[in-house]
Amino acid sequence: DIQMTQSPSSLSASVGDRVTITCRASQYINNFLNWYQQKPGKAPKLLIYSASSLQSGVPSRFSGSGSGTHFTLTISSLQPEDFATYYCQHSYETPLTFGGGARVEIK
Amino acid sequence: QVQLVESGGGVVQPGGSLRLSCAASGFTFSNYDMHWVRQAPGKGLEWVAFIRYDETAKYFADSVKGRFTISRDSSKSTLFLQMNSLRTEDAAIYFCARGREGYSYAFDYWGQGTLVSVSS
Repeated sequence: DIQMTQSPSSLSASVGDRVTITCRASQYINNFLNWYQQKPGKAPKLLIYSASSLQSGVPSRFSGSGSGTHFTLTISSLQPEDFATYYCQHSYETPLTFGGGARVEIK
Repeated sequence: QVQLVESGGGVVQPGGSLRLSCAASGFTFSNYDMHWVRQAPGKGLEWVAFIRYDETAKYFADSVKGRFTISRDSSKSTLFLQMNSLRTEDAAIYFCARGREGYSYAFDYWGQGTLVSVSS
């Protein structure tokens, strides 16, 4: 199975900050990588698919990059509604697996 | 608008069974691949199962293989997860999720989840 490792597992940031979260795959996955945002008590929300494609309705301050085994999610200017937990997920093959999550907290 | 509404969760003893349902609306259910994803309390996300739009393919996580089955009734726009031989480690919120069109191993819409508790 492909293992997904996210870093950091948590971070504190201020409104307006640029935030970057990293995700590494245990083997080559091309660009089959997706990012989700989850707020407490809510279902996850798809932000980015295929490593860098913005899901419809998602603000342009979110962007994704990477290929192969190394990927990043960037929030260009953190907004109050962005405080949440972010998960990467590979879609290369089954079993599909998620990273452990990165919690973004208010500084 | 797309809606997915899960039901069927509850408290069950180890070794017991539950059948979860996911009622879909706002899109042509028969055209989309579907998934179940779970989340243990305070933990991360775990993919559980996949079913192709035409039921020609079904895949499962190793942790549930042989115990869980996935099915769908397109006439009722409903997805199912039959869970047998439940273990304490199966306790979680179970979400149904739609596979994104053209990239169905990404989940573009999710239900609100249904809670499964496994305890004696």
